[in-house]
Amino acid sequence: EAGVAQSPRYKIIEKRQSVAFWCNPISGHATLYWYQQILGQGPKLLIQFQNNGVVDDSQLPKDRFSAERLKGVDSTLKIQPAKLEDSAVYLCASSGARVDEQFFGPGTRLTVL
Amino acid sequence: QKEVEQDPGPLSVPEGAIVSLNCTYSNSAFQYFMWYRQYSRKGPELLMYTYSSGNKEDGRFTAQVDKSSKYISLFIRDSQPSDSATYLCAMSDSGNQFYFGTGTSLTVIP
Repeated sequence: EAGVAQSPRYKIIEKRQSVAFWCNPISGHATLYWYQQILGQGPKLLIQFQNNGVVDDSQLPKDRFSAERLKGVDSTLKIQPAKLEDSAVYLCASSGARVDEQFFGPGTRLTVL
Repeated sequence: QKEVEQDPGPLSVPEGAIVSLNCTYSNSAFQYFMWYRQYSRKGPELLMYTYSSGNKEDGRFTAQVDKSSKYISLFIRDSQPSDSATYLCAMSDSGNQFYFGTGTSLTVIP
């Protein structure tokens, strides 16, 4: 079974630039999550999708972050414009029907200079 | 007060030692408890899952939940160098949004 795929793996941009991350979840998983993991901290949920609908985006900084999940499969997370404090690893995860079926991708490491 | 508190370590132990990792939490509604292992530059992988209180054992790993004290533990017996990683606790009330601890960095010295 293929895992959660993310790209790019690494990205370096300057502040005020825009950036986009892509995630392909495990086939058949209805739920998709985007997390932000700052160095030395645990993952923080940014947004949760159920199929192509948003379940929770209460911690997404909506003035600069946006996310979509077209056709309930792939998802993109965008930051525009980026700030220095956005430097972090952005993790995508997907889950099936059971609580213990949440799998993470390898993450995209973003550095904002 | 953070939802989940976890000692970041770092923790360094000799090979074969018993390791104890702990988290405390403030939300009494939490009933789903997870332990993840995260190797450097990788995504977290689920290690143990417990629903409500009690113990769960899987090979060298034992997870304990004490809801009365709002305290969870992960024990690793006969620790191996391959266990060197960051261990994250996570918990939820609904099974949807999970709140993560900051992670404890563990090094097992051969």
